[in-house]
Amino acid sequence: KQEVTQIPAALSVPEGENLVLNCSFTDSAIYNLQWFRQDPGKGLTSLLLIQSSQREQTSGRLNASLDKSSGRSTLYIAASQPGDSATYLCAVGTSNTGKLIFGQGTTLQVKP
Amino acid sequence: SQTIHQWPATLVQPVGSPLSLECTVEGTSNPNLYWYRQAAGRGLQLLFYSVGIGQISSEVPQNLSASRPQDRQFILSSKKLLLSDSGFYLCAWSVRQGVNQPQHFGDGTRLSIL
Repeated sequence: KQEVTQIPAALSVPEGENLVLNCSFTDSAIYNLQWFRQDPGKGLTSLLLIQSSQREQTSGRLNASLDKSSGRSTLYIAASQPGDSATYLCAVGTSNTGKLIFGQGTTLQVKP
Repeated sequence: SQTIHQWPATLVQPVGSPLSLECTVEGTSNPNLYWYRQAAGRGLQLLFYSVGIGQISSEVPQNLSASRPQDRQFILSSKKLLLSDSGFYLCAWSVRQGVNQPQHFGDGTRLSIL
């Protein structure tokens, strides 16, 4: 059974720091891994999708990596800003129907 | 552009009452559709998904059901709500073609059971 874990559960950093969020999964047989952002009381916004054959994806200040063999992904945020404050969720795609299994999320606070 | 709508945004219902949450997608055809629940202190749990009209797959045994009467409409229902049905319900869609398509979420419905 696939399980997804995100550590730490919460993180607080000063503005301008580079930071890394971690995601691990137990079964390497995945189709893809997705990173989402969730603002309080809101739905999820897709940030990056890494296909199982890829090693990383980049979008602006965000870079996500995938190491299937070790069951790990990281989301790197460069030059963090207060507007980056949110909960970040990773999810693994486990079938060709697009089903996702989510981690519990890391709540990030970037202090001005 | 594609948009996804969920309503209502918030709902307070007594135990034992029925439920109907609606989700519609615009700007795309034949999407995959998903219902998730996010309970307090827990992660997102997939409840149902659908790859076509009338095709519903349930992921967990529960007090809820789902229907897809039209291509871009997904409905979550219950005949009698339980306290444990409280939570934040999210609908999502993805392009059906290809397995590596991101999911796009609605703004959710916060359901409180009294």
